[in-house]
Amino acid sequence: GQQLNQSPQSMFIQEGEDVSMNCTSSSIFNTWLWYKQEPGEGPVLLIALYKAGELTSNGRLTAQFGITRKDSFLNISASIPSDVGIYFCAGQGGSEKLVFGKGTKLTVNP
Amino acid sequence: EPEVTQTPSHQVTQMGQEVILRCVPISNHLYFYWYRQILGQKVEFLVSFYNNEISEKSEIFDDQFSVERPDGSNFTLKIRSTKLEDSAMYFCASPRAGTLRGEAFFGQGTRLTVV
Repeated sequence: GQQLNQSPQSMFIQEGEDVSMNCTSSSIFNTWLWYKQEPGEGPVLLIALYKAGELTSNGRLTAQFGITRKDSFLNISASIPSDVGIYFCAGQGGSEKLVFGKGTKLTVNP
Repeated sequence: EPEVTQTPSHQVTQMGQEVILRCVPISNHLYFYWYRQILGQKVEFLVSFYNNEISEKSEIFDDQFSVERPDGSNFTLKIRSTKLEDSAMYFCASPRAGTLRGEAFFGQGTRLTVV
């Protein structure tokens, strides 16, 4: 089945640093989504991407839909302590279901 | 952000018992999904439900699982005879109103513990 490879698995950074994480797949996706999850909560949608090559920002977050439609990255600039959490990429192909990556756990040291 | 609400927030049940998880999706939306997340793992698709019918399901969604919309607003996931490995967070999700797919908004989840 479709699988997403998300990296890195975890990151430990200092407040103020920029962060980059990415997802790759052997399959083509029509939509890429990035979510953030905090302990005990549901995933919260950060950015949705619908077109190959699309670059979209949401505050300090920027995400891109790869040209090949098989990858996406998420950047966070000038990280702050509340950025802590697990970030998931999710792809949607020709059906309703979202396929999730395994997540990137972000720790920000003040 | 649109809201999807789930109840209960936490349920503990004995192995072999039936459980019903409830969701109130984004209002006036016909598309709903159930996902689950085993502790420390990724989110996995279970089933999608459109216009009162299952439109897609995963291999996880076997005969022990069922979904229905009993009263036109609530959306339920039933596990007929729970197993230890059913312990997980179960999330209901719905696309944004006015769209059919894409931006899925998730509820807070129900933590199911099977003992």
